[in-house]
Amino acid sequence: AQSVAQPEDQVNVAEGNPLTVKCTYSVSGNPYLFWYVQYPNRGLQFLLKYITGDNLVKGSYGFEAEFNKSQTSFHLKKPSALVSDSALYFCAVRDPRGYNKLIFGAGTRLAVHP
Amino acid sequence: GAVVSQHPSRVICKSGTSVKIECRSLDFQATTMFWYRQFPKKSLMLMATSNEGSKATYEQGVEKDKFLINHASLTLSTLTVTSAHPEDSSFYICSARAFGTGGPTYEQYFGPGTRLTVT
Repeated sequence: AQSVAQPEDQVNVAEGNPLTVKCTYSVSGNPYLFWYVQYPNRGLQFLLKYITGDNLVKGSYGFEAEFNKSQTSFHLKKPSALVSDSALYFCAVRDPRGYNKLIFGAGTRLAVHP
Repeated sequence: GAVVSQHPSRVICKSGTSVKIECRSLDFQATTMFWYRQFPKKSLMLMATSNEGSKATYEQGVEKDKFLINHASLTLSTLTVTSAHPEDSSFYICSARAFGTGGPTYEQYFGPGTRLTVT
């Protein structure tokens, strides 16, 4: 079955410290992976994607993610967290079964403290 | 680029009435749009896939007669919640797939969401 797991409900980090939000996936075929961010009462904003190519993908707002095929992971990272990064983060994988649906993880709330 | 709008952003309606939510791709054409429902502090639940010029494909457990979807043009999809009840109160979000010059880009671009409250 196709699935995405975000093992942490919440991640707490101090401003200026590096952050990691974890994501693992299970999908048949080559994975198309995505990260989105959601601010309160808003839709989701696209951060970055991995389709093919370099395992380290750079995205918006200084975020990057590393694709690791052997560990079936696609962790989101940022070298130096900002308070404004506090939001809900979703990892997603394209459902290969049709229509390019996205399968979302449960979401991880990131709290960056001053 | 790749902006998706939703209207209205908030709506309050009485139980038994119908509510229509519009989703528009503003600067690109979207042959496929998606409708999601999000409960508080929960992930997104895909309700249906909306294809321009054809019937929507509903996910298992979603009542197609209750949640009517119409995708009449390449830039507009509508979701109508018919005979709304308090349990239909939720945050509804649409998204659209964009196509780059080389074909589909695969990521979805999301609207800002519509908060529906049924009293």
